[in-house]
This record gives sequence, structure tokens and C-alpha cells, in this order.
Amino acid sequence: GAVVSQHPSWVICKSGTSVKIECRSLDFQATTMFWYRQFPKQSLMLMATSNEGSKATYEQGVEKDKFLINHASLTLSTLTVTSAHPEDSSFYICSASGIYEQYFGPGTRLTVT
Amino acid sequence: AQSVTQLDSQVPVFEEAPVELRCNYSSSVSVYLFWYVQYPNQGLQLLLKYLSGSTLVKGINGFEAEFNKSQTSFHLRKPSVHISDTAEYFCAVSDATDSWGKFQFGAGTQVVVTP
Repeated sequence: GAVVSQHPSWVICKSGTSVKIECRSLDFQATTMFWYRQFPKQSLMLMATSNEGSKATYEQGVEKDKFLINHASLTLSTLTVTSAHPEDSSFYICSASGIYEQYFGPGTRLTVT
Repeated sequence: AQSVTQLDSQVPVFEEAPVELRCNYSSSVSVYLFWYVQYPNQGLQLLLKYLSGSTLVKGINGFEAEFNKSQTSFHLRKPSVHISDTAEYFCAVSDATDSWGKFQFGAGTQVVVTP
């Protein structure tokens, strides 16, 4: 089946630094990818829709200048958390649209100290 | 806009007993419905989905769900659970008229299977 990977799987960074998370569709092309955030013991909240070759669409309440999304190719979308703070610590999950199915990545755990 | 309500935050169940996880949704448009399972520190695995057709949907690992349009429900069932079914289960809805793959998730139901 289709596979979506994320890199890194776990990252620790200092407050004020920026972190880039990659989401790749390994064996199919995805014109649309989605980024979700999941706090401990909570559900997934959609952050943004990433479209190849165009600007991302952010959900209400998500700071687009803080969470930079770039969908540079049909197999890669990146999420950059800029000037990260401890409250940004979370589990970030991407998904890629296949035909009649959505494929989720394994997630990236971000810890900001 | 859609919303999803998972009526139970935690469901304890004995091994080999049946389990039902309840999910209700609200939407003014046609929707697609999904159930996902998440093991600790992992991503989501699709259990089953309803897009159209038969309202009884069979998925992986012996799970099934029934779409009930009049009650706007999509409850998940398994007739006999295993210890390995201990996990978090999420119900999700997608607007059939919006971007494919844009999901609204329920709050999740933690299933704890004990011997």
C-alpha cells in the first residue's frame, strides 16, 4: 500500500529556534497534503492544507507566519515551526491524498525546551 | 462545517468480549466517514471507511461499522476483542464536496482490553 514518511520522527529543540519537518509520499504523487497537530491524549486538529505549487491554506487560529508550509514537489511537503516555544511541543502528523484514501505519516514528536 | 462526537472517552472491555465504539456526526452536506486506530506514539491506521453504497462496512482486523444516515451515526463494532486491540480509536468525517482528505476528527475513544 501507499506509504507516507515523516522526518524526523522525534526532535528536541531550544526555545526560539526553528524546526523543519518533512512529509514525503513514497510511492505516489500527492498534489494535496494536510498537516495536523495532536496534543497529548487529545484528538488531531487540522492545521493547514498544503497544495503543490501554491500557498497553503491555514485553518482558523493557526498562525501562518509561525507554521510555514512549503509543498515544493508532488512528493514532499515541509512544515517549519519558526521561533518555537514550549507551547508548540506536540505531535505533528501529515497526510497525503490518494485515490479514495488518505494516507497518514507516522508523526513527528516535537519537544521545545 | 462538520462536527464529530465520540460518545465514550474510554471503553474498558474484557478479552474476547464484543465492543462497540459510538460516533455521531453533524453535517449539512454529504460526508465520507472513517475509523482510524492509533497505537502509542504512532500515526493513524485506517480501519474502514464509508464512501457510498452498502451501509455496513467491513474493515481490517475483524472490525465493522454501520452508517446510519437518519441517526447520523457511524458506530464501530468488533465481536471479539484481543489484547492487541488496546489503542486509541478515532472517528473522522470528510465533507464530500470539499478537498478530498480534509478530515474533522472526533475526540477519540481509548479502548483498554484486559484478560
